[in-house]
Amino acid sequence: QKEVEQNSGPLSVPEGAIASLNCTYSDRGSQSFFWYRQYSGKSPELIMFIYSNGDKEDGRFTAQLNKASQYVSLLIRDSQPSDSATYLCAADTGRRALTFGSGTRLQVQP
Amino acid sequence: DAGITQSPRYKITETGRQVTLMCHQTWSHSYMFWYRQDLGHGLRLIYYSAAADITDKGEVPDGYVVSRSKTENFPLTLESATRSQTSVYFCASSESGTSGRWDEQFFGPGTRLTVL
Repeated sequence: QKEVEQNSGPLSVPEGAIASLNCTYSDRGSQSFFWYRQYSGKSPELIMFIYSNGDKEDGRFTAQLNKASQYVSLLIRDSQPSDSATYLCAADTGRRALTFGSGTRLQVQP
Repeated sequence: DAGITQSPRYKITETGRQVTLMCHQTWSHSYMFWYRQDLGHGLRLIYYSAAADITDKGEVPDGYVVSRSKTENFPLTLESATRSQTSVYFCASSESGTSGRWDEQFFGPGTRLTVL
């Protein structure tokens, strides 16, 4: 079992819709969770981080953490074509710093 | 300019050659990291460093060597390059975090390495 798992997609949503990206992690001791966006040929950039159970909102983005179920999600409201990218979920898993999932490719259709 | 830089941005080498990828950050971050990114595998941690002269293995360290004599530099050396090391390599840095939590990692632009 991979330590951080994501559906590779592609997840296709129409412009203006809500995109929902999900991630599960295996280490119950994980405390730090991150969502990065990566455009093709570019480096990852941070979208959200979350440390506590519940929701955290920042503009059109909401990160949700459920430690009991060991999943993290990212909601993107009013999706735009510019949101089309690969979204990487990351969690701290033991002493090896962050472990990244393989990423979910999001396509927002105009 | 402030930030994190990598050099070279592109490199083609041959099997068996030694290659060094450079990483430099200007934030004085404590932690630095090396990842490789391959299709279907996402980002995999090669090595990381908590401070100058302190390094530790990540998920895929075999075939790689790192050093950190200065806080701002974290070079990655492939001692004898193999075709399986063809990949995109990202360097990242972060502050030390508090209360057992990790801070955000900032990524460099990446180095695309091809081993023929």
